[in-house]
Amino acid sequence: EPEVTQTPSHQVTQMGQEVILRCVPISNHLYFYWYRQILGQKVEFLVSFYNNEISEKSEIFDDQFSVERPDGSNFTLKIRSTKLEDSAMYFCASGQAGAPPSQYFGPGTRLLVL
Amino acid sequence: QKEVEQDPGPLSVPEGAIVSLNCTYSNSAFQYFMWYRQYSRKGPELLMYTYSSGNKEDGRFTAQVDKSSKYISLFIRDSQPSDSATYLCAMSKDFGNEKLTFGTGTRLTIIP
Repeated sequence: EPEVTQTPSHQVTQMGQEVILRCVPISNHLYFYWYRQILGQKVEFLVSFYNNEISEKSEIFDDQFSVERPDGSNFTLKIRSTKLEDSAMYFCASGQAGAPPSQYFGPGTRLLVL
Repeated sequence: QKEVEQDPGPLSVPEGAIVSLNCTYSNSAFQYFMWYRQYSRKGPELLMYTYSSGNKEDGRFTAQVDKSSKYISLFIRDSQPSDSATYLCAMSKDFGNEKLTFGTGTRLTIIP
């Protein structure tokens, strides 16, 4: 069964450093998302991406964040200058065109900012 | 008022019991309702989705939506220890692939 994959599974970084989180969505999906989950809190929407551009972004997704689909398979989230409060689990999700809103999530990248 | 409210639990029930999980929401624009299961330190796994009010059944799982009360439920029949996980409700406003708004999740433990 096709699945969303994410790398790395864990990342530890120093405050102020740049991180890039990578995702490979399900191959025939055209909609891509990033969500985050701070430990003990709910899953929160960050950004959605379709047709090589951002469809929607949340208040969390400020100028420190960017997304890119550099090739036909990868989808990345970059945090330019990490803060302590960026420590969270980051989930990538993908969805099909013309389908009800059922998004499929990857296993997540646990980011720890020290 | 939060857009989506969900009792975080924890909820513990004996194996074989019927489990009822619930969410309430405040935004009447929500049209699509989903239930995800999340095992510890894993990504959410889609269980079921429903559109507008009504019931939907899939094996041991039944999802109910009551839009007039802004209340959704997930019932698990004949609960198994493998059902132990956190259950997340999620909602969206439009067809297509709009963002999901999640509840906080209910942590469920099925006791053998």
